[in-house]
Amino acid sequence: ETGVTQTPRHLVMGMTNKKSLKCEQHLGHNAMYWYKQSAKKPLELMFVYSLEERVENNSVPSRFSPECPNSSHLFLHLHTLQPEDSALYLCASSQERRNTQYFGPGTRLTVL
Amino acid sequence: TQLLEQSPQFLSIQEGENLTVYCNSSSVFSSLQWYRQEPGEGPVLLVTVVTGGEVKKLKRLTFQFGDARKDSSLHITAAQPGDTGLYLCAGAWTDKLIFGTGTRLQVFP
Repeated sequence: ETGVTQTPRHLVMGMTNKKSLKCEQHLGHNAMYWYKQSAKKPLELMFVYSLEERVENNSVPSRFSPECPNSSHLFLHLHTLQPEDSALYLCASSQERRNTQYFGPGTRLTVL
Repeated sequence: TQLLEQSPQFLSIQEGENLTVYCNSSSVFSSLQWYRQEPGEGPVLLVTVVTGGEVKKLKRLTFQFGDARKDSSLHITAAQPGDTGLYLCAGAWTDKLIFGTGTRLQVFP
């Protein structure tokens, strides 16, 4: 596989469930990102990992917990979500933070 | 907080029309990128402009970086339904890439 992959592509979960989103990049990049994209709202940066260390956490509620076990993989662990957390969650990677970001196709999350 | 404002927010046009999308900021960027996101997919890079005043063309799309490197525009000639999507500008500022607020374009046949 090439580029940035995300699984699952679609996820429906109840407010009491625990689930995880997975992102994998095959580009050899050293920075990875989680974004939230809601309808009719700008792209919201959630977390940034650079060289496997979290370098940015933009006031994201603790019900979202990121994990970066190595430079190729990024997870977003979800628990006790709210219906307003329903959105498209995009993962991206780049070589250095100021360079072009390559996005995965996203996970469409619906919280019931 | 650095902010890149895009205008218009939404644009619905007929096939064959021309349009321009603007990306404005009060900050100076070392480079500026344009991405397009189609429904159900992630954003994909279209172009990067680096020099103030630079103009790049990609078929029917023309991108311009402002002389002061604070703003950019994207002009589409003879829009087609395949141009439908969300257009995002992104500016490289210090060690970060800052994304704009987005312009959602719908081109009707």
